[in-house]
Amino acid sequence: DAKTTQPPSMDCAEGRAANLPCNHSTISGNEYVYWYRQIHSQGPQYIIHGLKNNETNEMASLIITEDRKSSTLILPHATLRDTAVYYCIVRVGGNFNKFYFGSGTKLNVKP
Amino acid sequence: GAGVSQSPSNKVTEKGKDVELRCDPISGHTALYWYRQSLGQGLEFLIYFQGNSAPDKSGLPSDRFSAERTGGSVSTLTIQRTQQEDSAVYLCASSPGQVAYGYTFGSGTRLTVV
Repeated sequence: DAKTTQPPSMDCAEGRAANLPCNHSTISGNEYVYWYRQIHSQGPQYIIHGLKNNETNEMASLIITEDRKSSTLILPHATLRDTAVYYCIVRVGGNFNKFYFGSGTKLNVKP
Repeated sequence: GAGVSQSPSNKVTEKGKDVELRCDPISGHTALYWYRQSLGQGLEFLIYFQGNSAPDKSGLPSDRFSAERTGGSVSTLTIQRTQQEDSAVYLCASSPGQVAYGYTFGSGTRLTVV
């Protein structure tokens, strides 16, 4: 049911930028792209969301392509604590607030 | 409280017993969701409450699962006649109910059916 495709895992060196890709080629015009992450044994944590424009907050930046068919979450300076599963989600059309979580990307930040 | 609170944090039960899992959402959040996560798996949507509207139960895996939300606040997820395949972490989340907001998740209840 998830409308997104993400690589199952990625590695990143500590202190470097982590760029996590997500494909959502069937996204509808009124659907937002959300990113969450789940650190081991914790509940998922909201990171950022966007509709059309690129977004930045204290945690990350979100780059959405002009055709909105893909996006990239950027952690500018990854730390060991950023090791987690990162989920890219689009809000399912026709249901105002229900989200479907796919398999996500396991980001391994290495010293 | 400041976050979503779930209780108990861990529950071990015998196969065939009923269990109740509780969720206290963030005060003022009109939307409440239940998900479950089996070991090593992604999140599976179960049920969603929005204000006074009828809940969206489309994710409940069987009629042994039910949930209610009293007074628009606390929610209870009940699993009757538990089976070993019900073993999972059950996560509750709440949101202000507007499209542009994300969820805040609780830490979950780890259910083990033996």
